[in-house]
Amino acid sequence: ELKVEQNPLFLSMQEGKNYTIYCNYSTTSDRLYWYRQDPGKSLESLFVLLSNGAVKQEGRLMASLDTKARLSTLHITAAVHDLSATYFCAVQETSGSRLTFGEGTQLTVNP
Amino acid sequence: DTAVSQTPKYLVTQMGNDKSIKCEQNLGHDTMYWYKQDSKKFLKIMFSYNNKELIINETVPNRFSPKSPDKAHLNLHINSLELGDSAVYFCASSQGGLAGNQETQYFGPGTRLLVL
Repeated sequence: ELKVEQNPLFLSMQEGKNYTIYCNYSTTSDRLYWYRQDPGKSLESLFVLLSNGAVKQEGRLMASLDTKARLSTLHITAAVHDLSATYFCAVQETSGSRLTFGEGTQLTVNP
Repeated sequence: DTAVSQTPKYLVTQMGNDKSIKCEQNLGHDTMYWYKQDSKKFLKIMFSYNNKELIINETVPNRFSPKSPDKAHLNLHINSLELGDSAVYFCASSQGGLAGNQETQYFGPGTRLLVL
C-alpha cells in the first residue's frame, strides 16, 4: 500500500523567511502533485511533477521531485501572509489514476 | 462557468436518515472521484468512475453507494447515516483515468455533511 508522509504537519513562519515542506512516499512513482487548500475551501492544483529531477516554480513557490529518493519538496521563498493555507502532496500510482494524499502541511505566515 | 460543482454545499441531518450528494463536471473529463476529508483534513479516496464504470472502490461501508448516470455526473447516496459520516465530501474529475497518464484532478467545492 502506497504511503505518503509530509513534514512538518504544522508550520508557522514569519513573513520574508524561507522554508521547505517535505513529501516522502513509499513506492515507485514518477507522478506527484501539489495542491493548496484554503480554510473552508476546495483544493487547488499547484504543480504537477512528472519525472525525476522535475522542478516547477510559480511565484514564491518551487516544487521538485527526486524519484530515486521518493521525495518531493515544496520550497517557499520570502513568505507572505497570502501563502497561509494547507498544502497537500499527492502521489499517483504507476498502475492507474489513484492519488494517495499526504496528511497536509498547515502553513501560517505571520506578519 | 464552474468546472466541478456539487450540491448541496451544506447538509445537516439526523442519524439514520438517507441522503444524496450530487456532482457534475463540465470539463469533458472521463474520470470522476469521491473523496472524504475528515476533521483532521485527511483526504481519502472512496470511489472512482471512468466513463460510467467503477474503477476504484475503496473499503467503505456499503451504506455508501455511488452512481454515475453519465460521464459528467457522479452522485453519492448514503443510507442510514451515522455520526462518523460527518465530514467534507469532495468530488473531483480528471482527464483520462488510464494507467501512466498525468492525472491532475480538479476538485469541486465540497459538501459539508453534519450528522446529528
